Amino acid sequence: AQSVTQLGSHVSVSEGALVLLRCNYSSSVPPYLFWYVQYPNQGLQLLLKYTSAATLVKGINGFEAEFKKSETSFHLTKPSAHMSDAAEYFCAVSVDTGFQKLVFGTGTRLLVSP
Amino acid sequence: GAGVSQSPSNKVTEKGKDVELRCDPISGHTALYWYRQRLGQGLEFLIYFQGNSAPDKSGLPSDRFSAERTGESVSTLTIQRTQQEDSAVYLCASSLAQGRAYEQYFGPGTRLTVT
Repeated sequence: AQSVTQLGSHVSVSEGALVLLRCNYSSSVPPYLFWYVQYPNQGLQLLLKYTSAATLVKGINGFEAEFKKSETSFHLTKPSAHMSDAAEYFCAVSVDTGFQKLVFGTGTRLLVSP
Repeated sequence: GAGVSQSPSNKVTEKGKDVELRCDPISGHTALYWYRQRLGQGLEFLIYFQGNSAPDKSGLPSDRFSAERTGESVSTLTIQRTQQEDSAVYLCASSLAQGRAYEQYFGPGTRLTVT
């Protein structure tokens, strides 16, 4: 069965520092992988997705993620954190059951300090 | 254009009461999904609609949960005889069509509190 593990329920960085949010997946089929961001009292917004094309995926707001099959990882990075990046981030894998059922990780809350 | 909307945004109910949660998908989106987000946990898939048909109800936690959809429009998730463990944020998403190539757009959610 497909699953996603996000290491660290909370990650704290200083403004301007590198952001690294970890995601490891388990999938019996070639995965589609997603990162979503959730701001307080808002729905989830898609940051980026991997769909078996380029392994380095660029998303919105300067985020990117690299698919590493050998490590079953899809970590999210941003070179320089901004205060507005403070939010909860969810990694998800698509279960190909004929429709796109998403299996989510438990989320990582990113805290950015000045 | 308008995104996915959900109502109410917050609902407090007493244990044992029934509740109805509403989702208005993006116009033209044929696929609709319900997820549940419990405190400190990721999102759990509940049910999926293609049009007004629900091919996959496997995520519904018990027979107290049901959902319906009118055509390719509004969907309602009904929880009967609510229990405290039903407290969660219920998120709805829609996509243009079924399949992994289509992005799911999420609504802001309904926060349900069962007292």
